[in-house]
Amino acid sequence: GNSVTQMEGPVTLSEEAFLTINCTYTATGYPSLFWYVQYPGEGLQLLLKATKADDKGSNKGFEATYRKETTSFHLEKGSVQVSDSAVYFCALSIQGAQKLVFGQGTRLTINP
Amino acid sequence: DAGVIQSPRHEVTEMGQEVTLRCKPISGHDYLFWYRQTMMRGLELLIYFNNNVPIDDSGMPEDRFSAKMPNASFSNLKIQPSEPRDSAVYFCASSLGLAGGKQFFGPGTRLTVL
Repeated sequence: GNSVTQMEGPVTLSEEAFLTINCTYTATGYPSLFWYVQYPGEGLQLLLKATKADDKGSNKGFEATYRKETTSFHLEKGSVQVSDSAVYFCALSIQGAQKLVFGQGTRLTINP
Repeated sequence: DAGVIQSPRHEVTEMGQEVTLRCKPISGHDYLFWYRQTMMRGLELLIYFNNNVPIDDSGMPEDRFSAKMPNASFSNLKIQPSEPRDSAVYFCASSLGLAGGKQFFGPGTRLTVL
C-alpha cells in the first residue's frame, strides 16, 4: 500500500538553528510528494511539492528534494524563526489521483 | 477568493445528539474532502467527492457518519447519534482536479461531544 512515515516529534529548536524533518514513503506507483504546514488554530496549507525524482521543492526558505533511491523527501531550512513554529505534514499522491496520504505530522517549536 | 468556509467553528453537544458540520468549497473546485484530526489518530481522510459524487468513503468510521454534497457549493457531514469519541477537529478541503494534489483546507470545526 501507500504510506508516509515522518520523524517523531515534537522537535524543539532555538531561533536560527538548522532544521531537518525526515520523511520516507512507500508507494505502489510513482508518487508526487508534498509538505503541508498547519499553524496553530488553522487548517493545513501547502508549503512545497515535487513531482518527479531529483526535483527540489522550495518555499519560504524551506526546501525538500525528491529522492527516489532512498524513497525520502526530507524537509530542511537553514535558519528557523519563531514564526516557523507549527505542525508539518509530509504527504504523497499517486499520479493521477487527488487523494493525499499524510504522515502523522511533526510538531516544531522554535524558541527565541 | 474567500477560501474554504466551514461552519460552525466550534460545536459542543451532548452524547446522542445529531451534529451537522457544513462546508463551502472554493468556487470552481471539483474535489471536496472531509478529514478528522485527533491527537491519537492524527489526520484521517473520511470521504471525498468529485463533481458532487462520493468517490471514496472507506474512511467513514461507521454508519453514524454520513456526508452529502447536494451541489458544487455545499457539503455537510452528519453524525447521528454523536458519541464522546467523535470529539475532534473536522476539516474540509477542496481542490481543482488539474492542480496535482494541492488541496485548500478550511479552518476546521472543533467538535466536543460531552
